[in-house]
Amino acid sequence: DIQMTQSPSTLSASVGDRVTITCRASQSISSWLAWYQQKPGKAPKLLIYKASSLESGVPSRFSGSGSGTEFTLTISSLQPDDFATYYCQQYNSYSLTFGGGTKVEIK
Amino acid sequence: QVQLQESGPGLVKPSQTLSLTCTVSGGSISSGDYYWSWIRQPPGKGLEWIGYIYYSGSTYYNPSLKSRVTISVDTSKNQFSLKLSSVTAADTAVYYCARVGVVVVAADYWGQGTLVTVSS
Repeated sequence: DIQMTQSPSTLSASVGDRVTITCRASQSISSWLAWYQQKPGKAPKLLIYKASSLESGVPSRFSGSGSGTEFTLTISSLQPDDFATYYCQQYNSYSLTFGGGTKVEIK
Repeated sequence: QVQLQESGPGLVKPSQTLSLTCTVSGGSISSGDYYWSWIRQPPGKGLEWIGYIYYSGSTYYNPSLKSRVTISVDTSKNQFSLKLSSVTAADTAVYYCARVGVVVVAADYWGQGTLVTVSS
């Protein structure tokens, strides 16, 4: 099974900061990686698919990059609505695995 | 606008079978463009993929749950269902149903989630 490791697990930042979250796969997954945002009591929301493709309606301050085993989600200028938990998700051989999550908190 | 809605008991006794149904509206479950998935989240913890089903009935399960999971589809009702057998307290979680694109393999539409508690 492919394991996904996210870092950091918690991140403290201020409005306007550039924020980067990393996700590492235990083996190569090509570009089969997605990123989600989840707020308390709500279902996750898809932000990025295929490592770098922005889901329709998602603000352009969100971007994704990477391939193989290392991936990043970047928020170019953190907004008040962006304080949430972020998850990566990989796809390989018909199986999905989520990372452990990164909570973005107000500094 | 596609909508998914989970339904089923919120309380299940240990060793029994958890059963949930997801009703899809605003789109056909028979579309060949999507898998229909179950994902869960224990209180205060991360997301865990349970499995998904294609409209044809082909199923794919998380290896760690495979022996206890059955996902089925009823195209006439535009629904798909989850059964998880021999539940324990560790199966207490919010259970989500979600639509996963076949091409992009990411979940673009989710239900609101339903909390299932395993307790006697």
